[in-house]
Amino acid sequence: DAKTTQPPSMDCAEGRAANLPCNHSTISGNEYVYWYRQIHSQGPQYIIHGLKNNETNEMASLIITEDRKSSTLILPHATLRDTAVYYCIVLSAGTASKLTFGTGTRLQVTL
Amino acid sequence: ETGVTQTPRHLVMGMTNKKSLKCEQHLGHNAMYWYKQSAKKPLELMFVYSLEERVENNSVPSRFSPECPNSSHLFLHLHTLQPEDSALYLCASSRDKGSPLHFGNGTRLTVT
Repeated sequence: DAKTTQPPSMDCAEGRAANLPCNHSTISGNEYVYWYRQIHSQGPQYIIHGLKNNETNEMASLIITEDRKSSTLILPHATLRDTAVYYCIVLSAGTASKLTFGTGTRLQVTL
Repeated sequence: ETGVTQTPRHLVMGMTNKKSLKCEQHLGHNAMYWYKQSAKKPLELMFVYSLEERVENNSVPSRFSPECPNSSHLFLHLHTLQPEDSALYLCASSRDKGSPLHFGNGTRLTVT
């Protein structure tokens, strides 16, 4: 599976959009980009995933560049409850259980 | 509420004890998983069950014994654990093996 690179930490004001970047320059054609987050003292939470088209759900939007070498997770209106560590993972089709976390991005949402 | 419930949330046990961790999912999923999360290794897959059949066992020591009596319940039986087994044990479920995972909030295990 391709490796990913994320900034270690980011801050975001409450109510503003949080844009979390991820680089995955070695991604191959059948690999998906997944995003999970883990709030302190809770289990990981699935957010969104995509292959090459942009995706949106009730939690977030995922923007994948045309060359698929990077992506951005967008939380459109961040709240204090979005403070968490966000993990970008690249996985081949059908291997969602092969989840492994790197260091992720620690997002701090502030008043 | 994640739809995946784990009990207990915290467990302290001695090395000679026998205990069990319980997981229940209310999502109608067909696959269930046990993961271990510790400071040394962010996330380790332990066991995978698909339609109540164990389909994956990632070289986990025999002191960890999983049980899946039906598609909604998963147990992890623990005996003669070591202090290095102290970690957060996470249960997850998914619609099928290729679908995104839904995690419980874990059992924080401390082995003394």
